[in-house]
Amino acid sequence: SQQGEEDPQALSIQEGENATMNCSYKTSINNLQWYRQNSGRGLVHLILIRSNEREKHSGRLRVTLDTSKKSSSLLITASRAADTASYFCATVDNRLAFGKGNQVVVIP
Amino acid sequence: DTAVSQTPKYLVTQMGNDKSIKCEQNLGHDTMYWYKQDSKKFLKIMFSYNNKELIINETVPNRFSPKSPDKAHLNLHINSLELGDSAVYFCASSQDVGVMNGYTFGSGTRLTVV
Repeated sequence: SQQGEEDPQALSIQEGENATMNCSYKTSINNLQWYRQNSGRGLVHLILIRSNEREKHSGRLRVTLDTSKKSSSLLITASRAADTASYFCATVDNRLAFGKGNQVVVIP
Repeated sequence: DTAVSQTPKYLVTQMGNDKSIKCEQNLGHDTMYWYKQDSKKFLKIMFSYNNKELIINETVPNRFSPKSPDKAHLNLHINSLELGDSAVYFCASSQDVGVMNGYTFGSGTRLTVV
């Protein structure tokens, strides 16, 4: 099964700045999902973008999907200390396959 | 009300022992999953059940046996535990098998084999 691959692996930013993460994948997908994992906790679903969509917003989150380049990005605007977490993209063909995750640290 | 609950949260056991992890969801979802997260945070699917039927069985040692008594429960039994089984195991559920909706994850079971 394919896996999303995020880039970069770790990101440290000041509170109020924007954080951008990228994800690439290898085969065709039905949709792509982003999840957040706080330290020692389970994953929380953030946003889903379908293969026929190019951009989606949810609160301070903006996701783009470029199926021609097989890539997606997650933008968190006006970051907060509470956004400190690992962020995973997950691609869907007939199952959810996760990438390695981005560690984001937001410094107050 | 916890949507997907796993027990226990922590499990420390010796090599060779047999242990079980339980998972229950109260969301009315049809599909449940077990994922394993290693020390590098890499998540890999192990099993998936839809309405009590096994639909995904990745390359997992036979020592791992899932059991789904009903669609709200998916338990994981592990025989003859090995050091390499140490990881965090996550249960998850989704509305259907078509993965057109997000998954809801439990908080994980940290298994340490000594």
